[in-house]
Amino acid sequence: LAKTTQPISMDSYEGQEVNITCSHNNIATNDYITWYQQFPSQGPRFIIQGYKTKVTNEVASLFIPADRKSSTLSLPRVSLSDTAVYYCLVGDILTGGGNKLTFGTGTQLKVEL
Amino acid sequence: DVKVTQSSRYLVKRTGEKVFLECVQDMDHENMFWYRQDPGLGLRLIYFSYDVKMKEKGDIPEGYSVSREKKERFSLILESASTNQTSMYLCASSFLRDTQYFGPGTRLTVL
Repeated sequence: LAKTTQPISMDSYEGQEVNITCSHNNIATNDYITWYQQFPSQGPRFIIQGYKTKVTNEVASLFIPADRKSSTLSLPRVSLSDTAVYYCLVGDILTGGGNKLTFGTGTQLKVEL
Repeated sequence: DVKVTQSSRYLVKRTGEKVFLECVQDMDHENMFWYRQDPGLGLRLIYFSYDVKMKEKGDIPEGYSVSREKKERFSLILESASTNQTSMYLCASSFLRDTQYFGPGTRLTVL
């Protein structure tokens, strides 16, 4: 089971870049790393997924070092609407079933003016 | 757009009652999941299903059971609700290794 560790909270200001790191020291070979965003009273929403190196989409970038024991979600130029809880998920559905899916405890990002 | 719906947003039950939480997805996804979310503990997987009538235990299956008779529907059952099962329950679905799509959640209070 890949245990994940994230900072409990982070503060930022509008227009800044925010980097949230997730540690997953015992990640398995087949595990993927996925990040989700959650607003109050809503279910989590997919942001980005990667296996190794760097992945970028229209919302964020995901940096994964060669040893894959951590990952960093990068949000460019955050706005007030990015205030949310961010979760990293490590695991692989196809091997070992759902038991291998482990969410972190989440990072509360607060963006101010 | 993928839609995952849950039968209730808020539910209040009494200790010892049998509770059914229903989840329906409209994208023909293979996998469906039930999580509970508690402050400071994040999301914890209760059960997972990868096909009709197939299920696997997650990290915290004790006190819960599930049913998947149709591909689009995944039910979470609390056989005898207890106060420590007061929580937010989230259902999700996905196709193979793809991203999970979550429902809005059901906030269950057990008195």
